[in-house]
Amino acid sequence: DAGVTQSPTHLIKTRGQQVTLRCSPKSGHDTVSWYQQALGQGPQFIFQYYEEEERQRGNFPDRFSGHQFPNYSSELNVNALLLGDSALYLCASSPGLAGLQETQYFGPGTRLLVL
Amino acid sequence: AQSVSQHNHHVILSEAASLELGCNYSYGGTVNLFWYVQYPGQHLQLLLKYFSGDPLVKGIKGFEAEFIKSKFSFNLRKPSVQWSDTAEYFCAVNAYNNNDMRFGAGTRLTVKP
Repeated sequence: DAGVTQSPTHLIKTRGQQVTLRCSPKSGHDTVSWYQQALGQGPQFIFQYYEEEERQRGNFPDRFSGHQFPNYSSELNVNALLLGDSALYLCASSPGLAGLQETQYFGPGTRLLVL
Repeated sequence: AQSVSQHNHHVILSEAASLELGCNYSYGGTVNLFWYVQYPGQHLQLLLKYFSGDPLVKGIKGFEAEFIKSKFSFNLRKPSVQWSDTAEYFCAVNAYNNNDMRFGAGTRLTVKP
């Protein structure tokens, strides 16, 4: 049973560029959440997708957007990259019924460096 | 807005010592509480969680946590740590009916053999 997978593992971009990160949820899960984890900090909730809709959102600007596909996989898009967007981006999946109350299963993350 | 504080950044213990990691949150309403752990080279995984009922929650690998509502705390405990407990521990809070999940900054635990 494959767990949560993310791609790519590492990425280097320059300021002002756009980036797309991808996530495939654990088998049987239909909800995907995205987190940003800066160095030395805990994960910060970006948003959660369920049934191809953004269901919940944390305190992140509109430069952060996402998408969920019919097969439950998800993308995180960040536009107009800033140096401060450099972080580890984590994807977590869960069964959909109870949103953020459910146990979340985390992927290995994508490390983004913005130069 | 809710916030989560973990008191210790780095804790170093010898094997068989007892462990208590502090977690406090700021939110006045009903909360769901979690402890996640990240072992070296592995993904974040759930250690235990509290939604309601008995405030003493037992998790995997002998860990437990106690929810004390009056103190806004959810401290993690283990009576006797092992070298394999070396990891980073994160406390997280989801305010009931709130569109957010807040993690603390994490506590790195090093257990010396």
